[in-house]
Amino acid sequence: DGGITQSPKYLFRKEGQNVTLSCEQNLNHDAMYWYRQDPGQGLRLIYYSQIVNDFQKGDIAEGYSVSREKKESFPLTVTSAQKNPTAFYLCASSPVLAEYNEQFFGPGTRLTVL
Amino acid sequence: KNQVEQSPQSLIILEGKNCTLQCNYTVSPFSNLRWYKQDTGRGPVSLTIMTFSENTKSNGRYTATLDADTKQSSLHITASQLSDSASYICVVSARGSQGNLIFGKGTKLSVKP
Repeated sequence: DGGITQSPKYLFRKEGQNVTLSCEQNLNHDAMYWYRQDPGQGLRLIYYSQIVNDFQKGDIAEGYSVSREKKESFPLTVTSAQKNPTAFYLCASSPVLAEYNEQFFGPGTRLTVL
Repeated sequence: KNQVEQSPQSLIILEGKNCTLQCNYTVSPFSNLRWYKQDTGRGPVSLTIMTFSENTKSNGRYTATLDADTKQSSLHITASQLSDSASYICVVSARGSQGNLIFGKGTKLSVKP
């Protein structure tokens, strides 16, 4: 999985609780991304960051928040405002934020809301 | 609207056989097209990346083709193995998109012994 780790692999949450998904990379990449994957759907971009202390909303940012305090870390918080949070969450990184750069993906976290 | 369509949705083949997966896109202006392999419950892994000027790229038993005029791509798998069972995702990047990718829904390939 290319030097990107995500934890935990499985996560269970009760309705109304916030939960934070971890993503760490040791590739010295500037850009990092969070995607959501639902069965039978293509990956959808939640948030992305091109540099420390900077991040941008993707296509489905509502109910999610992120931080980028360190280059190697890009945690995602799924808040209680996210109406349908059960999904497979993938973190990715690339050398820089550019259309031609390959994105390397982590192993994913499967979040289930009980 | 920028879209990536893949066919078939799923495919079952016997070990040792060849297969071809299709991808049509409407992304404009086009920058590059990627094929990823995603094992169940894992993150996608890149197989190939092709720009406008490339019409064929190989990675072992995987060969991707690109026709930028018709906006079509294919992924050909030769002499399939059980380990090829996975979802194959076509991904297109638009010029100036700053890394925002448009993902297809994938083709789920099952290779049977």
